[in-house]
Amino acid sequence: DTAVSQTPKYLVTQMGNDKSIKCEQNLGHDTMYWYKQDSKKFLKIMFSYNNKELIINETVPNRFSPKSPDKAHLNLHINSLELGDSAVYFCASSHLAGGYGYTFGSGTRLTVV
Amino acid sequence: GQQLNQSPQSMFIQEGEDVSMNCTSSSIFNTWLWYKQDPGEGPVLLIALYKAGELTSNGRLTAQFGITRKDSFLNISASIPSDVGIYFCAGQSFNNNDMRFGAGTRLTVKP
Repeated sequence: DTAVSQTPKYLVTQMGNDKSIKCEQNLGHDTMYWYKQDSKKFLKIMFSYNNKELIINETVPNRFSPKSPDKAHLNLHINSLELGDSAVYFCASSHLAGGYGYTFGSGTRLTVV
Repeated sequence: GQQLNQSPQSMFIQEGEDVSMNCTSSSIFNTWLWYKQDPGEGPVLLIALYKAGELTSNGRLTAQFGITRKDSFLNISASIPSDVGIYFCAGQSFNNNDMRFGAGTRLTVKP
């Protein structure tokens, strides 16, 4: 009955590989997000989707491609992984009206070696 | 984009003490929120503020939305060991549906 679930929780991979992180929410929210948290714990938005439509795309390398098959899912695919991609990636969801807080997943710790 | 300045960066306090942290912004926000992050987990919403001047409590937590709409503070009274974690402020503008976070305040409570 987890509200926002991400898989996997841990991901260790070599430079140059391609990997995906999946996210699903069962809250009936219409907007989903990906945030990146660096080693200093700073949270930075990467993408936002509303009803499968991209509405925010921050300055993120185009190696990162979000995919939303439906409004309950927002997956993150990363091509040609680099050492600097190592971080914790959080999925979140909310109603578009926003201002009511986001519900976050428990994060995916990506380590690129 | 909007910059949020959160302070202090870290706090080491004794159990039972009160804690105060704040956030300022160069821009006006329509909503201020405070989150707590435990190790290995995502941030969890503590308090949301919707009106300038609003003062809201949630148990031992009290937060205020600054009158200028450019700042907010969070107070924790009578701290306990489980208050340990990272506290983030976040602001949201009316026309933006993305939320900007402060850099976090890492709280350590010594029993």
